[in-house]
Amino acid sequence: GAVVSQHPSWVICKSGTSVKIECRSLDFQATTMFWYRQFPKQSLMLMATSNEGSKATYEQGVEKDKFLINHASLTLSTLTVTSAHPEDSSFYICSAREGTSITQTQYFGPGTRLLVL
Amino acid sequence: AQKITQTQPGMFVQEKEAVTLDCTYDTSDQSYGLFWYKQPSSGEMIFLIYQGSYDEQNATEGRYSLNFQKARKSANLVISASQLGDSAMYFCAMRERAAGNKLTFGGGTRVLVKP
Repeated sequence: GAVVSQHPSWVICKSGTSVKIECRSLDFQATTMFWYRQFPKQSLMLMATSNEGSKATYEQGVEKDKFLINHASLTLSTLTVTSAHPEDSSFYICSAREGTSITQTQYFGPGTRLLVL
Repeated sequence: AQKITQTQPGMFVQEKEAVTLDCTYDTSDQSYGLFWYKQPSSGEMIFLIYQGSYDEQNATEGRYSLNFQKARKSANLVISASQLGDSAMYFCAMRERAAGNKLTFGGGTRVLVKP
């Protein structure tokens, strides 16, 4: 299957700092990228959807000023957690899809574990 | 109402045996896709199998097969000849055209394969 990379895999930061997570599609052009959040023992929760060159669409309840998403190219999207607080500690997973067909498989990155102290 | 329901929070399976993971879904859309993903302890989501709403035959991918019963709105995953490496969380997901083609996940089923 297609490869999606995510960096960093782990990050520990102090409360109040900002953290940037990168997501890259390595062998295909990602028309659409998604950012998910997953708490321990829970399912994935979609945070936002981004299309290359457009503003991200955030799910209800997700603060767009808190979680800044940039999809500058067809192979790169970034999620910046601004002024992180302990409650932002979570597992963040990006996902990418080529094309808009409903049959198109969505591939996931390996995830980033964020711990805010 | 839950869009995707996985009723089995966890299950044990003996190595080399088959296991069926249940998934029911709720949609009024005619065009939708159903996906299964595996999430080992490392956290990565691994795509396993896909079934389209218009597909007449059940999807198969190696040891994975999808038992698609459209009228019952179920899309159960069958893993044959379980291996120790199959121990993981398994998520069923649905994409609906009417919902902007976004994936919606079920709560997951944890599978532990016993030697």
